[in-house]
Amino acid sequence: GESVGLHLPTLSVQEGDNSIINCAYSNSASDYFIWYKQESGKGPQFIIDIRSNMDKRQGQRVTVLLNKTVKHLSLQIAATQPGDSAVYFCADSFPSGYSTLTFGKGTMLLVSP
Amino acid sequence: GAVVSQHPSWVICKSGTSVKIECRSLDFQATTMFWYRQFPKQSLMLMATSNEGSKATYEQGVEKDKFLINHASLTLSTLTVTSAHPEDSSFYICSASPYGERNSPLHFGNGTRLTVT
Repeated sequence: GESVGLHLPTLSVQEGDNSIINCAYSNSASDYFIWYKQESGKGPQFIIDIRSNMDKRQGQRVTVLLNKTVKHLSLQIAATQPGDSAVYFCADSFPSGYSTLTFGKGTMLLVSP
Repeated sequence: GAVVSQHPSWVICKSGTSVKIECRSLDFQATTMFWYRQFPKQSLMLMATSNEGSKATYEQGVEKDKFLINHASLTLSTLTVTSAHPEDSSFYICSASPYGERNSPLHFGNGTRLTVT
């Protein structure tokens, strides 16, 4: 992900809407990408990952899109629920030996009933 | 699924004292664990990589004598914040991968909230 900022961008949606959270990464050599969800006071929870040989991957209610040309990653959440409210981080890894992740700045998702 | 456990979940200590945080992989072995630090409303910053049976690798700007890491077994890494000061107050999170290889998701503990008074 890009360098850390001092505040979190916020996305506010209504329950049932689809949510799209975007992330830009800076290292063109990155070849593995992960989305994490972090609830208040807890550690990040794995949502979905994608490797650079793919441009789309779907999970349960979530889809990750990867555009390597513009170094952009997005997470789509279908039928967003109040329980989806959290901070979402993208992370990327590049071929440097072990899997060390660089985290993006995060986006806070607020889902109102 | 892979579970990483941290202890304690929160700790309050006085300035000048040392605090030890434990990170355990409960159902898998981890030759490598990672320690992160997170300030409010900010992202996770990697502090160091903990290697079982050898010295930890610290990120630039992280004082190795301040943040002592010990990875004595395949299921336990500890982070000791020595001579803690109020500026060390933060959320510390560890992670590990059960796969022992790159390009696999890291699993995170639930973090330790450290408050230094």
